[in-house]
Amino acid sequence: NAGVTQTPKFQVLKTGQSMTLQCAQDMNHNSMYWYRQDPGMGLRLIYYSASEGTTDKGEVPNGYNVSRLNKREFSLRLESAAPSQTSVYFCASSPGRGLYEQYFGPGTRLTVT
Amino acid sequence: ILNVEQSPQSLHVQEGDSTNFTCSFPSSNFYALHWYRWETAKSPEALFVMTLNGDEKKKGRISATLNTKEGYSYLYIKGSQPEDSATYLCASYSGGSNYKLTFGKGTLLTVNP
Repeated sequence: NAGVTQTPKFQVLKTGQSMTLQCAQDMNHNSMYWYRQDPGMGLRLIYYSASEGTTDKGEVPNGYNVSRLNKREFSLRLESAAPSQTSVYFCASSPGRGLYEQYFGPGTRLTVT
Repeated sequence: ILNVEQSPQSLHVQEGDSTNFTCSFPSSNFYALHWYRWETAKSPEALFVMTLNGDEKKKGRISATLNTKEGYSYLYIKGSQPEDSATYLCASYSGGSNYKLTFGKGTLLTVNP
């Protein structure tokens, strides 16, 4: 039982490059989330998926797209990376909406130069 | 209060001291208050999810209380140990059709041996 896994752990991109961050959970959770964490800003929600087949914007969605591939997997895509997207990205999952605790992945540290 | 606010921002205590910190959140449309523990270089781990006014939860030496009418929660650590050193995050869920947890910026606790 691996919980929430994320790949890659680290990535360096040049401005304008694209990449996809992968996230998978093996807890049969319905809801999945992508957050970014920046110094002094706390965790901010980028996108979330309430259930398989649905996705919605969070607090800071600009410059990102997501895909809920199936119940297990939720990917985050940067189409044209910008230095402002340098951050640590966390994926999380929960059985349902906000009454349930969230389980976080180990994070992806992304640097855009 | 429009956002989730945590105080103090950081705290240094000696091993064996008991300590507490505060989370303030909007009291209108309140559904749930989450506490997470976040160790350096790891990912956040859930401590408690609290929903009822007057609720009190305990896990080992850590406990939390909730006042939904005035919009605050306290986290207490009894007999702090160096391994308690971490950032403690709270997050508020206000229900509705969105799944958004609003996180505070955290309290960084350092326990000196």
